[in-house]
Amino acid sequence: DIQMTQSPSSLSASVGDRVTITCRASQVISNHLAWFQQKPGKAPKSLIYDASNLHSGVPSKFSGGGSGTDFTLTISSLQPEDFATYYCQQYSSFPLTFGGGTKVEIK
Amino acid sequence: QAQLVQSGAEVKRPGASVRVSCKASGYTFTSYAISWVRQAPGQGLEWLGSMSTYSDTRNFAPRFHGRLTMSSDTSTSTAYMDLSSLRSDDTAVYYCARVVGSSEDSWGQGTLITVSS
Repeated sequence: DIQMTQSPSSLSASVGDRVTITCRASQVISNHLAWFQQKPGKAPKSLIYDASNLHSGVPSKFSGGGSGTDFTLTISSLQPEDFATYYCQQYSSFPLTFGGGTKVEIK
Repeated sequence: QAQLVQSGAEVKRPGASVRVSCKASGYTFTSYAISWVRQAPGQGLEWLGSMSTYSDTRNFAPRFHGRLTMSSDTSTSTAYMDLSSLRSDDTAVYYCARVVGSSEDSWGQGTLITVSS
C-alpha cells in the first residue's frame, strides 16, 4: 500500500495568514492526488483533484501543487470558514489511501 | 447538482451485518462509480472500496475483503454497502461518494454505525 504522510498534523494560524500543508507519498504517484476539507460533524468536501485542479465552486484562495511524491495545499488568505481538518488522498493505485489529516486551528 | 442521501444511523451487535444505502440524484447514476469511506470516532478517513455502477468491477481495501459487499440498483439509482461480522472497531461514520475520473467529488451526509453489545 502507498503511505501518505501529512505535515504538520496541526497548526495554529490567524485570519489572513497564508498556510501551506504538505503531503508526501511513499512512492511515486504522478499527479494522482486529491485534497479534502472536513469540518466537525460534517462530510468531507472535495477541494482539489489531479494535484492542482480545483473542483467546481472551490474558491481560488485554495491551490495545490506538486508531482511525484511531494505535494502541497496552500490557502492564500485564511478566513474563519477555512478552519477545518484537511486530508490528502492518493488514487494512483488501489487501495486508495488518505493522509492522517492536518487540523487548522485559530491562533 | 449531484446529491447523495444515505440511510439513517444504526446500532448493531458484534457479529451482525449492516447495510447502508446511498441514493443518488441530480446526475446519471451509471456514469460514475461510487466509493465508500469511513471515519472512526476522532480518527481520520479510511477508504473501504469502490464500485462501478454499471458493471461488476469492484475494488476493495484488503482488510475488508470477504466482509464487504458493494452493490447497486440502477432502477432506483441507489448504491449499497454491506459489512458483515461486525466488531466494535467497525463503529464509525460511513460515507458514500461519487467518483469522477478517479477522485471523489460529491459526498453523502454520512451514516453512523455503532457496534455494541
